[in-house]
Amino acid sequence: RKEVEQDPGPFNVPEGATVAFNCTYSNSASQSFFWYRQDCRKEPKLLMSVYSSGNEDGRFTAQLNRASQYISLLIRDSKLSDSATYLCVVPKAPIISSNTGKLIFGQGTTLQVKP
Amino acid sequence: GAGVSQSPRYKVAKRGQDVALRCDPISGHVSLFWYQQALGQGPEFLTYFQNEAQLDKSGLPSDRFFAERPEGSVSTLKIQRTQQEDSAVYLCASRSPRNEQFFGPGTRLTVL
Repeated sequence: RKEVEQDPGPFNVPEGATVAFNCTYSNSASQSFFWYRQDCRKEPKLLMSVYSSGNEDGRFTAQLNRASQYISLLIRDSKLSDSATYLCVVPKAPIISSNTGKLIFGQGTTLQVKP
Repeated sequence: GAGVSQSPRYKVAKRGQDVALRCDPISGHVSLFWYQQALGQGPEFLTYFQNEAQLDKSGLPSDRFFAERPEGSVSTLKIQRTQQEDSAVYLCASRSPRNEQFFGPGTRLTVL
């Protein structure tokens, strides 16, 4: 089983739709999680950090289910500019310390928002 | 403020050639990471520095790959005797005190 798994998609949705992506992880001791956004031929950019049960930032909501070991990202009222690949990221070690830092990335889920 | 910068942005090498990729992290960030990203995949960890110390190099795919950060700021990833399978985007990231990693634009390496 991969350490971080995502459905690669693509998810094709109309403008204004609500879309959700799931990500499963294998390390039950993981305590922090991240969602990154990556546009075509660009670097990944941090979208949200998740340290407890979830996080919300405007139209974006991340939820964490520790029992089932999955993280979800919900995007409401999708915009054309939301079209990108969304990467689920889990630190390798359960607690980020000064001697660790390796991030494990999922394959990414591609979202295409259509007019 | 300035983000992470990398150079060159694009590099074409002939098979067998040595290449050197440079990363300038965000000023003051102690931790620096290198990742390799193949087309259609997420980034894969290569190596990690804390200041000038290389604390984790478990992701380097072979002994042809070497990274250094001699003064604890700029880092160089060197690939010797490049092979076609080395073609990828090489990303550098530095970590903030909040443990969030910020990426540079990457170097796209093509080995012919």
